[in-house]
Amino acid sequence: ETGVTQTPRHLVMGMTNKKSLKCEQHLGHNAMYWYKQSAKKPLELMFVYSLEERVENNSVPSRFSPECPNSSHLFLHLHTLQPEDSALYLCASSQERARTQYFGPGTRLLVL
Amino acid sequence: RKEVEQDPGPFNVPEGATVAFNCTYSNSASQSFFWYRQDCRKEPKLLMSVYSSGNEDGRFTAQLNRASQYISLLIRDSKLSDSATYLCAVNGGGNQGGKLIFGQGTELSVKP
Repeated sequence: ETGVTQTPRHLVMGMTNKKSLKCEQHLGHNAMYWYKQSAKKPLELMFVYSLEERVENNSVPSRFSPECPNSSHLFLHLHTLQPEDSALYLCASSQERARTQYFGPGTRLLVL
Repeated sequence: RKEVEQDPGPFNVPEGATVAFNCTYSNSASQSFFWYRQDCRKEPKLLMSVYSSGNEDGRFTAQLNRASQYISLLIRDSKLSDSATYLCAVNGGGNQGGKLIFGQGTELSVKP
């Protein structure tokens, strides 16, 4: 399936590194989302972009910085992360915010 | 009370069994409801949307009970390949209308 793609699929980084996660959707949607999924915990919504404008930021620490240059692309810039930030980071998109969301395969992040 | 709550399971059932999951939600203004399936180390994938009148797709039946604020998923004649975690998602409703809130998931294991 190529509806929503994410790169990289796996990432190991030290606490002083800077990295970026990339998400691209090929579905013509106008809303995109970042979620965090830690082991045995529910999906946590991090950011929502609608028509390229950030409409929600769920009290996410500033070491996570999203960017949405256009309606097809979404980035999550990471810097000075902590080991507790290790998780699966999922991108999703939908046609309008209240509609069905489709997920990318995720980036599995390990912070050492 | 959690906004969306599911039995965590695990549900261990033999092949051919019928199994039902419930998901309760707290916001009476919620309008959209979904069931997702998540395989181990993969992203959630939409299984079915849940409509007011209930809907069926093969062995899967979803129901909505607005009065009691829950949705259900019934799986008949379960297969080994149905083993996964099932997530319910509910849109926030009201001024959170664009936000999907996920339950923590119910794990299903179908045994031979």
